[in-house]
Amino acid sequence: AQSVTQLGSHVSVSEGALVLLRCNYSSSVPPYLFWYVQYPNQGLQLLLKYTSAATLVKGINGFEAEFKKSETSFHLTKPSAHMSDAAEYFCAVSGTGANNLFFGTGTRLTVIP
Amino acid sequence: EAGVVQSPRYKIIEKKQPVAFWCNPISGHNTLYWYRQNLGQGPELLIRYENEEAVDDSQLPKDRFSAERLKGVDSTLKIQPAELGDSAVYLCASSPRGTGNTEAFFGQGTRLTVV
Repeated sequence: AQSVTQLGSHVSVSEGALVLLRCNYSSSVPPYLFWYVQYPNQGLQLLLKYTSAATLVKGINGFEAEFKKSETSFHLTKPSAHMSDAAEYFCAVSGTGANNLFFGTGTRLTVIP
Repeated sequence: EAGVVQSPRYKIIEKKQPVAFWCNPISGHNTLYWYRQNLGQGPELLIRYENEEAVDDSQLPKDRFSAERLKGVDSTLKIQPAELGDSAVYLCASSPRGTGNTEAFFGQGTRLTVV
């Protein structure tokens, strides 16, 4: 069985501040992990993915995430928030031999000018 | 390259009426997914197709929901009859093969409101 838990349904940061969105996973097989972003009235767009190569993954728009097996975590970070980063962020898990993608409940990021 | 195309974008219907959603996946993608996203929640899988075969429909409410993917390309998701609780965004996604380490590409979704 696979699942993800996103801690904090809402996160607010000031423009220029560090963004940290938390994701913990549970998986009975080696996981593949994803972060997606969803802007209002839009579909989901992939930010980055971990597929068992480098544990520090860099994605689009300056985001990155680090896979920590010992902590079963895959937190998303960005050094400096921009107004355009305001959106809903979803962590998702799949895995070796698993063909379905399981999503967390999402974290809404607000960026304060 | 065109992305995943869904129609309509919005649909408002009265309860007990039927409704259908259409999805055209990215060309060459064998795997097609339908997800339902309730307000304030993450997407939940309804059904997954590999080509024209539904290989995982365990979360599809089969008493009122049906889906098809003729010829392994376009897909249609139908609800008959619709209930108030079906109000949600229905997302279609595709990938070259079952997700594994391959990302799924999402359409913009169809927002269904049942009144």
